[in-house]
Amino acid sequence: AQSVAQPEDQVNVAEGNPLTVKCTYSVSGNPYLFWYVQYPNRGLQFLLKYITGDNLVKGSYGFEAEFNKSQTSFHLKKPSALVSDSALYFCAVRDPYRDDKIIFGKGTRLHILP
Amino acid sequence: NAGVMQNPRHLVRRRGQEARLRCSPMKGHSHVYWYRQLPEEGLKFMVYLQKENIIDESGMPKERFSAEFPKEGPSILRIQQVVRGDSAAYFCASSPVELRPYEQYFGPGTRLTVT
Repeated sequence: AQSVAQPEDQVNVAEGNPLTVKCTYSVSGNPYLFWYVQYPNRGLQFLLKYITGDNLVKGSYGFEAEFNKSQTSFHLKKPSALVSDSALYFCAVRDPYRDDKIIFGKGTRLHILP
Repeated sequence: NAGVMQNPRHLVRRRGQEARLRCSPMKGHSHVYWYRQLPEEGLKFMVYLQKENIIDESGMPKERFSAEFPKEGPSILRIQQVVRGDSAAYFCASSPVELRPYEQYFGPGTRLTVT
């Protein structure tokens, strides 16, 4: 069965420093991978996705993610964190050969310290 | 192009009452997904619907919960005889799927409080 894991409940980063939010997945075939962000009392906003091609995917708000097939990971990164990046981040995976259901990780709360 | 719309945004129900949550997908999207988010937890898939069809309801409790997506009108998630444990944020998402693989677009959610 497909699954996704976000090993960190919370990540703290000083403003201006690089940030990484970790995600690993388990899918029988080639996965479709997504990152979403949720601000307080709001719905989820799509950040970026990996379908095929270049392993480094660039998304909204300066975020990027690197697909690593051998490590089954899709970590979210940003070179220089902003206080406004503080939010809840969800990694998600879909097995394109099974169905259209996307499975979400439990989320990682990112705190950017001024 | 309006995004996914959900109403009401906040809903308060007493134990034993019924809750009806509505979701209007984005224009041109024919697939709707419902998720539940409990406080300090991630999103849990509940049900996936196309127009007039339930495709996957594996995440929905067998009792008290039902969902529909009629030919005309919004998708409805219905919770009968609500209990305190139903208090959560319920999110709807839609996707076009004609050109796979599309990400899902989320509504702002309905926050249900059961008193």
